[in-house]
Amino acid sequence: GQQVMQIPQYQHVQEGEDFTTYCNSSTTLSNIQWYKQRPGGHPVFLIQLVKSGEVKKQKRLTFQFGEAKKNSSLHITATQTTDVGTYFCAVNSGGSNYKLTFGKGTLLTVNP
Amino acid sequence: GAGVSQTPSNKVTEKGKYVELRCDPISGHTALYWYRQSLGQGPEFLIYFQGTGAADDSGLPNDRFFAVRPEGSVSTLKIQRTERGDSAVYLCASSLADRDHPWYFGPGTRLTVT
Repeated sequence: GQQVMQIPQYQHVQEGEDFTTYCNSSTTLSNIQWYKQRPGGHPVFLIQLVKSGEVKKQKRLTFQFGEAKKNSSLHITATQTTDVGTYFCAVNSGGSNYKLTFGKGTLLTVNP
Repeated sequence: GAGVSQTPSNKVTEKGKYVELRCDPISGHTALYWYRQSLGQGPEFLIYFQGTGAADDSGLPNDRFFAVRPEGSVSTLKIQRTERGDSAVYLCASSLADRDHPWYFGPGTRLTVT
């Protein structure tokens, strides 16, 4: 089945530093979604990328979809303690959007 | 409006017992998904409903697991003869349709089998 690798597994930063997590697939993706899960919480949808080379921004968060639609990144500028949590990418390479395969996530901790 | 709700929030049961986990999706959402998340892992697909029918149940681990959605709204995940390996957080999500719409996850049910 569809597999996706997410790196790094953990990232600890000082407040104000930038953070990036990467999601890589061996196959071409139809779309990719990103989720944030706070400690003890549930995944919360952040964004979906569909087009090759797409770049979307949400305040300090920048999401990119690779030109070949096999990788994606999430970049946070000037992290804040509220950014703490695990960031997951979720992919589906087929024609339907169900049965998303989630990466293992990147746990971000921020030192104030 | 109200989000996806799941009950119970926590369930502790003995090995071999039967449990039911309930999911109330967002009103009007036709697509409903069950996922399972173990500690330190991403959610793993169990089953997907489009309306009342299970469109894909290929993620159910074995025949001890079964899910229903009789009226196309509330769904129940049923686990027979629970095993310690079933311990995990069971997540439900819903969306307006199966493409190009965000998914909304519920808070999950933490199942512990002793």
